[in-house]
Amino acid sequence: DAKTTQPPSMDCAEGRAANLPCNHSTISGNEYVYWYRQIHSQGPQYIIHGLKNNETNEMASLIITEDRKSSTLILPHATLRDTAVYYCIVRPRMYSGGGADGLTFGKGTHLIIQP
Amino acid sequence: DAGVTQSPTHLIKTRGQQVTLRCSPKSGHDTVSWYQQALGQGPQFIFQYYEEEERQRGNFPDRFSGHQFPNYSSELNVNALLLGDSALYLCASSPPGSGAYEQYFGPGTRLTVT
Repeated sequence: DAKTTQPPSMDCAEGRAANLPCNHSTISGNEYVYWYRQIHSQGPQYIIHGLKNNETNEMASLIITEDRKSSTLILPHATLRDTAVYYCIVRPRMYSGGGADGLTFGKGTHLIIQP
Repeated sequence: DAGVTQSPTHLIKTRGQQVTLRCSPKSGHDTVSWYQQALGQGPQFIFQYYEEEERQRGNFPDRFSGHQFPNYSSELNVNALLLGDSALYLCASSPPGSGAYEQYFGPGTRLTVT
């Protein structure tokens, strides 16, 4: 899996958009960008994923640069409940039978939403 | 519909002992993965079970072993416990034919080795 680089921590005011960057300069053509988050004392939770087009769902938006070497996760209206560690993971979507392959997590970005 | 459940919630063991952790996957899921999360670190992949067999394994010693039962539930066994095995142990399940985005995690078991 390609290596990712994320800032260790970020602050954001409640109600504002939180923009979390991820650098993945060694990403290869068949690798997707996945984002998970982990709220304190809980297991990680899937947020969104994408290959090269921008993606949006009910939780967040994912912006991937044209060269695919970096991406930004956007939480449009951050709330206190969005305080969590956010993980950016890059890996192929292919799998060899059965369910999803094991994920490789880095240290992520600790996002703190300030009231 | 219950999500992924794990038991026990917390556990305290002594060095050299053995421990068994349990996981029940989300309904309809047939694949179970186990992760170890040390304090301040991201989860590290231990292994994955599918069709009652270990399908993938991360960089963990043979002291870590597992099992999957016909109802898809799973156990993680750790022998000869070391202080460094103290961590949060997470179980994740995924449905048939899923991609990496469909891993659903349980709340974890906090293991403390003294």
